[in-house]
Amino acid sequence: ETGVTQSPTHLIKTRGQQVTLRCSSQSGHNTVSWYQQALGQGPQFIFQYYREEENGRGNFPPRFSGLQFPNYSSELNVNALELDDSALYLCASSLGDRGYGYTFGSGTRLTVV
Amino acid sequence: RKEVEQDPGPFNVPEGATVAFNCTYSNSASQSFFWYRQDCRKEPKLLMSVYSSGNEDGRFTAQLNRASQYISLLIRDSKLSDSATYLCVVNPSGSARQLTFGSGTQLTVLP
Repeated sequence: ETGVTQSPTHLIKTRGQQVTLRCSSQSGHNTVSWYQQALGQGPQFIFQYYREEENGRGNFPPRFSGLQFPNYSSELNVNALELDDSALYLCASSLGDRGYGYTFGSGTRLTVV
Repeated sequence: RKEVEQDPGPFNVPEGATVAFNCTYSNSASQSFFWYRQDCRKEPKLLMSVYSSGNEDGRFTAQLNRASQYISLLIRDSKLSDSATYLCVVNPSGSARQLTFGSGTQLTVLP
């Protein structure tokens, strides 16, 4: 059974650029949640996808968007990058919208310069 | 006011010590509660769920006081390997697992 995998592991982008981060959910999981963790802070909920539809969103602007594919993998897209977007982006997968087996991937560390 | 508040620490304790972490949450309708552990530059991992009756897992004991909106974690006989950041986590919703994290409390266990 493979766990949650995220790619890339590290990324450096310039302010104003766009970025796409990817997450492959654990086998058997159909829900993916994304979190942003700034240095020294706890993760903050961005949004969740359940059966390919957005199932909740945190306090993030529309330039943060996402997708979930039929195989339950997911993408997080961020447009018009700002310096404050520099953070560790974590994906978590689970089974059902009640979060059974909630498991985090190891994250993508994004640096915006 | 933050939704989940923790003492950031750091807590530096000798091996074998007992250490307690506290956390308060603001949403009285919150449904489920957890403690996560995060090692440096790694992903958070579930340490234990927290129940109203209190629960214990080996050297770790978690307590929940819904009336005071207060959660605690007690670590007995601390080991060097317990050094990490401990995150207090609340699920405000009864359904979807959309977690609200505290900022974490850093623990260093010293030899």
